[in-house]
Amino acid sequence: DLQMTQSPSTLSASVGDRVTITCRASQSISGWLAWYQQKPGKAPKLLIYKASNLESGVPSRFSGGGSGTEFTLTISSLQPDDFATYYCQHYNSFSWTFGQGTKVEIK
Amino acid sequence: QITLKESGPTLVKPTQTVTLTCSFSGFSLSTTGVGVGWIRQPPGKALEWLALIYWNDEKRYSPSLNSRLTIIKDTSKNQVVLTMTNMDPVDTATYYCAHTSPQSESSGYFTYYYYYMDVWGKGTTVTVSS
Repeated sequence: DLQMTQSPSTLSASVGDRVTITCRASQSISGWLAWYQQKPGKAPKLLIYKASNLESGVPSRFSGGGSGTEFTLTISSLQPDDFATYYCQHYNSFSWTFGQGTKVEIK
Repeated sequence: QITLKESGPTLVKPTQTVTLTCSFSGFSLSTTGVGVGWIRQPPGKALEWLALIYWNDEKRYSPSLNSRLTIIKDTSKNQVVLTMTNMDPVDTATYYCAHTSPQSESSGYFTYYYYYMDVWGKGTTVTVSS
């Protein structure tokens, strides 16, 4: 079974910091990866699809990269609104697999 | 504008069957390429995909829960219904439905499709307790 592993599980950072979250797949998934942001008590919000495509309306400080088995989500300059939990997800046409999440906390 | 809203019982007893409804607007499940999926999230835990139904009535289920899940669509009502049998306290979670958008990739004579979840409902919380 495919496993998606995110690191770190928790990240402490300050406003203005550059932040990178890593997502590793247990087998190659080409570029079929999405990133979501979730705030407490809210539904996940799509940030990036196909590894590096920014969803409409998402600030340009978010960027995604990678292919195969290793992917990254980078926030170029962390803003107060960005403190949240982030999930990666592999998708195809028959299964959808999430990572365990990375919580970005205020340092 | 695409919107989705989940509804269902907030409290169910162990061994009972729960029926959750996703009511949506802004798209039709009879349009080629459209899908609606269900995802859940136990308190303080990660997201878990459960099931998905496509415009052509094809269905996909999580292998770990396949025997307990049934997903159907009612195109005329713009609804997708998920049924989960034999509920257990570990099934206590917030249940979300989501719209999926397709992407395609061609390789030789074949075209492969990939569906990502782009719009989510706000979720409905189900507690399983006696």
